Amino acid sequence: DGGITQSPKYLFRKEGQNVTLSCEQNLNHDAMYWYRQDPGQGLRLIYYSQIVNDFQKGDIAEGYSVSREKKESFPLTVTSAQKNPTAFYLCASSTFLARMGTGELFFGEGSRLTVL
Amino acid sequence: QQQVKQSPQSLIVQKGGISIINCAYENTAFDYFPWYQQFPGKGPALLIAIRPDVSEKKEGRFTISFNKSAKQFSLHIMDSQPGDSATYFCAPSIVGNTPLVFGKGTRLSVIA
Repeated sequence: DGGITQSPKYLFRKEGQNVTLSCEQNLNHDAMYWYRQDPGQGLRLIYYSQIVNDFQKGDIAEGYSVSREKKESFPLTVTSAQKNPTAFYLCASSTFLARMGTGELFFGEGSRLTVL
Repeated sequence: QQQVKQSPQSLIVQKGGISIINCAYENTAFDYFPWYQQFPGKGPALLIAIRPDVSEKKEGRFTISFNKSAKQFSLHIMDSQPGDSATYFCAPSIVGNTPLVFGKGTRLSVIA
């Protein structure tokens, strides 16, 4: 089945620790995204990548880092510099932004990070 | 920053009733107007979307109404069912340009 796989589903972290959230897609999509979801805040864009080895900051990139070494993978690291990291993190993918596609995003099932 | 205002924040509808959720935007360059549906603990999924060359699109019980002059589009759910209970997001965008900007969501509860 084609789709997006996020892991782990639940993650607990102590303050001061970095954690990495995994996101893998087998949809052959060029673009991948990370969103953060907090209650009542909607989805806020952290980082996105249109092609391998290139990525751009979203609205709330501070305290996060990403890499895009393979088309299928777009891991997100939540660093100790992120002041309020407890949230639900969603990874998504789509066809390349510059093409005349629908712009539809396909989401994974999310990773819930809790800082203890 | 592009602004998207979604209303209401929450909505309770009787089974069989009509649910209406609104989305107002500022950027007149938007040319793609989707609604996403999210169930608890899951990622959002595209429900229905419209392009600005039509004023209405219907898919089963779900209808998008688009008002270009008012810079608004709405989601109507006819004959609402308990299984429609979810959070709904609008996410207008420019196809081929920036990533989607999501509204803050509307939590819909359909009660029997």
